Amino acid sequence: EAGVTQFPSHSVIEKGQTVTLRCDPISGHDNLYWYRRVMGKEIKFLLHFVKESKQDESGMPNNRFLAERTGGTYSTLKVQPAELEDSGVYFCASSQGFRADTEAFFGQGTRLTVV
Amino acid sequence: GDSVTQMEGPVTLSEEAFLTINCTYTATGYPSLFWYVQYPGEGLQLLLKATKADDKGSNKGFEATYRKETTSFHLEKGSVQVSDSAVYFCALSPYRDDKIIFGKGTRLHILP
Repeated sequence: EAGVTQFPSHSVIEKGQTVTLRCDPISGHDNLYWYRRVMGKEIKFLLHFVKESKQDESGMPNNRFLAERTGGTYSTLKVQPAELEDSGVYFCASSQGFRADTEAFFGQGTRLTVV
Repeated sequence: GDSVTQMEGPVTLSEEAFLTINCTYTATGYPSLFWYVQYPGEGLQLLLKATKADDKGSNKGFEATYRKETTSFHLEKGSVQVSDSAVYFCALSPYRDDKIIFGKGTRLHILP
């Protein structure tokens, strides 16, 4: 069974450009999460989808970030326009149920560098 | 708000040494506690978890006990191997919440 897949693995863009990150969750997982790790800091929650609906987007840093989950399958996270402080590793995770009962499976992450 | 504090790294040990990585948390209610591990070039993997006080999570020789009285979840292994070299993240999931709150991570180097 395929795990959580993220594309691209690395992205280097200039400040002001747009970047779109993609996450393909494990098939059948209704819950999809985005997290971000800025260099030297904690991995921080960005948002949570249940199927195609945003359950919790309290961690989204500002309106330059837009997440979508078309048809409850894959998800995209767009940063427009990118700023230097957006650099970091973006992780996606998926799970079948609630945290205490089921495991969240993480992708390898997308390393974003804004120059 | 809820938070996790873990010891700073990197931690360097010789093979077969005893490992402890300290982790304390701040949370309301009854969070679930986790240790995640990230091996080089790979994604985060759940190493072990505990969902209530005094529970002991264990996996691959690693153990951690949920201590509510000290708000701690220290990771231990009796004899580390070179293959244990990775970054270890202590984390919690707040009561009745799906998000995970992570510590900063501790990089572990095991020397042969």
